[in-house]
Amino acid sequence: DTGVSQDPRHKITKRGQNVTFRCDPISEHNRLYWYRQTLGQGPEFLTYFQNEAQLEKSRLLSDRFSAERPKGSFSTLEIQRTEQGDSAMYLCASNPGQGTDTQYFGPGTRLTVL
Amino acid sequence: AQSVTQLGSHVSVSEGALVLLRCNYSSSVPPYLFWYVQYPNQGLQLLLKYTSAATLVKGINGFEAEFKKSETSFHLTKPSAHMSDAAEYFCAVSEINFGNEKLTFGTGTRLTIIP
Repeated sequence: DTGVSQDPRHKITKRGQNVTFRCDPISEHNRLYWYRQTLGQGPEFLTYFQNEAQLEKSRLLSDRFSAERPKGSFSTLEIQRTEQGDSAMYLCASNPGQGTDTQYFGPGTRLTVL
Repeated sequence: AQSVTQLGSHVSVSEGALVLLRCNYSSSVPPYLFWYVQYPNQGLQLLLKYTSAATLVKGINGFEAEFKKSETSFHLTKPSAHMSDAAEYFCAVSEINFGNEKLTFGTGTRLTIIP
């Protein structure tokens, strides 16, 4: 099995621009999670999907953030009007579904907002 | 609400010495507990997990951890440190067995190995 993949690995943008990240989970994994990790901190939960349904969103996910998983396979995370505080590593994880406890993480997308 | 506290943001040990990374958790229900390792500019790799079976859990790369309910702890150990163990380690708690999907992580411990 190939692991979770994320694209791009690095993104540098100017404040106010929109950015979109992509996550491809492990094949046939029904659940997909997004986390954000700032420097010196552990990852923080943002949201998760069961197939195409977004089942939970953290209050960290402001109105400028939107996540989709339209066909229940890959997911995108968009940040509109980026702010310097959005600079972080965005991690994606997947697992096969209900009753499975382990989340498998991708390499992350590092966002730098200038 | 679930939470994790990792004592010691930086730990240094000599090569060949015992590694001990501390983790205490808080959970309103019996938790599942995890240790992940993160190498620079990479994602998280699962080292081991506790899911209410044996309290002493063995993981990859010679690491193990013991779940102690009375102490609400899940400390990570390795008898003999290798240079390749230098990385950041995260303890995480989940209440997935009670319908709470998300992982809650500690702030991490950076392990340095002294040659």
